[in-house]
Amino acid sequence: QVQLVESGGGLVKPGRSLKLSCAASGFTLSNYYMSWIRQVPGKGLEWISYISTSGSSKYYADSVKGRFTISRDNAKNSLYLQMNSLRADDTAVYYCARRHCTSTSCYDAFGLWGQGTMVTVSS
Amino acid sequence: SSELTQDPAVSVALGQTVRITCQGDSLRTYYASWYQQKPGQAPVLVIYAKNNRPSGIPDRFSGSSSGNTASLTITGAQAEDEADYYCDSRDSSGNHYVFGTGTKVTVL
Repeated sequence: QVQLVESGGGLVKPGRSLKLSCAASGFTLSNYYMSWIRQVPGKGLEWISYISTSGSSKYYADSVKGRFTISRDNAKNSLYLQMNSLRADDTAVYYCARRHCTSTSCYDAFGLWGQGTMVTVSS
Repeated sequence: SSELTQDPAVSVALGQTVRITCQGDSLRTYYASWYQQKPGQAPVLVIYAKNNRPSGIPDRFSGSSSGNTASLTITGAQAEDEADYYCDSRDSSGNHYVFGTGTKVTVL
């Protein structure tokens, strides 16, 4: 079954760190650009980072740049998000998402999403 | 600007047609994609590269684009189409992505 499963969320104090994981199954992660996207409950979606297939290219939203680090382990079919210096406004559901590809091309779209993991930053 | 603006809410009678718009400068350069999100669920891609549907998405969903505006049209809306809809695109720099503000669609 083709799916993404996030883990690692929870309650953390401001200023602390947390590492999220995203396990891919049913497909080869190394073939896809991957992203992290978050959503404050009841609010809209916010793209926060993406990583190229090899991991050589990484981009971040200004809101997390310098605090969050995206990485991947293709051998383990896993994606990660290291979150440092967490703030209250980082509280959100965090989704990992796979770039949409057909049999012939890949597109600027997120075609497969995990179910999300909740991160709550509070003292 | 790197923002994508959507109307907060629209309503449509069952079986009728509704169009949702997404405005932003980056749409003059990049295609929009559209996502459907129902309460408590992850978003689902419904349109990509302006007007392409992933497998499994009904053909009542279609997309279009003109200038700085992308549109998602639901022709013959069904009760199960009631959801939040988000557009997204690359931003003006080309290196980041940006989501629209979201539109809540109510099917009457």
